[in-house]
Amino acid sequence: AQKITQTQPGMFVQEKEAVTLDCTYDTSDPSYGLFWYKQPSSGEMIFLIYQGSYDQQNATEGRYSLNFQKARKSANLVISASQLGDSAMYFCAMREGPRTSYDKVIFGPGTSLSVIP
Amino acid sequence: DAGVTQSPTHLIKTRGQQVTLRCSPKSGHDTVSWYQQALGQGPQFIFQYYEEEERQRGNFPDRFSGHQFPNYSSELNVNALLLGDSALYLCASSPLISTTGTVSYEQYFGPGTRLTVT
Repeated sequence: AQKITQTQPGMFVQEKEAVTLDCTYDTSDPSYGLFWYKQPSSGEMIFLIYQGSYDQQNATEGRYSLNFQKARKSANLVISASQLGDSAMYFCAMREGPRTSYDKVIFGPGTSLSVIP
Repeated sequence: DAGVTQSPTHLIKTRGQQVTLRCSPKSGHDTVSWYQQALGQGPQFIFQYYEEEERQRGNFPDRFSGHQFPNYSSELNVNALLLGDSALYLCASSPLISTTGTVSYEQYFGPGTRLTVT
């Protein structure tokens, strides 16, 4: 079964507009974390934001915010004021269990975002 | 402060050959994870090394093996290469504890090694 689902293979957004990238996950572990990564065409994976399952508030990092709906097992990424440089692949990922010295991170299939001038 | 580095950048091998990819973690990081990313897909977890031991492994055959050295750098070895092994191989490093003293969850990725098997 898919642990991470990203149902939007491709998205378009107008420059300066906000965009939401969807992510749903599946886990039975009460302790887990959700990540969002950005991968430009250059290939390097860039960490954007992290949300722990016990975090009371939604995570925010600059123009990025994570809309965490635990009951729905949803962790959508919201990018405000889109910029041309935001055009990239975006991956939702999850780790399960309490944080130890080792973690297995599972990635979703990704969403390709294109920002239109 | 150098980030995660990987070598080589690109590599072309033929079926049946063996390959070794190298990764140097970010300074202060003691854990190294390896991922395989096929074209158009998300990264797939191969394995993770901590304290020179393999701690976690994904669904990859024994042809994929690794090693971590005392300086935390790591190697990924793939034997008997198949055409399907063609992919971008990403290395990520992470610390258990961040510089602020809290548990860290962030993985820093290297630029990857593009392996082509012909």
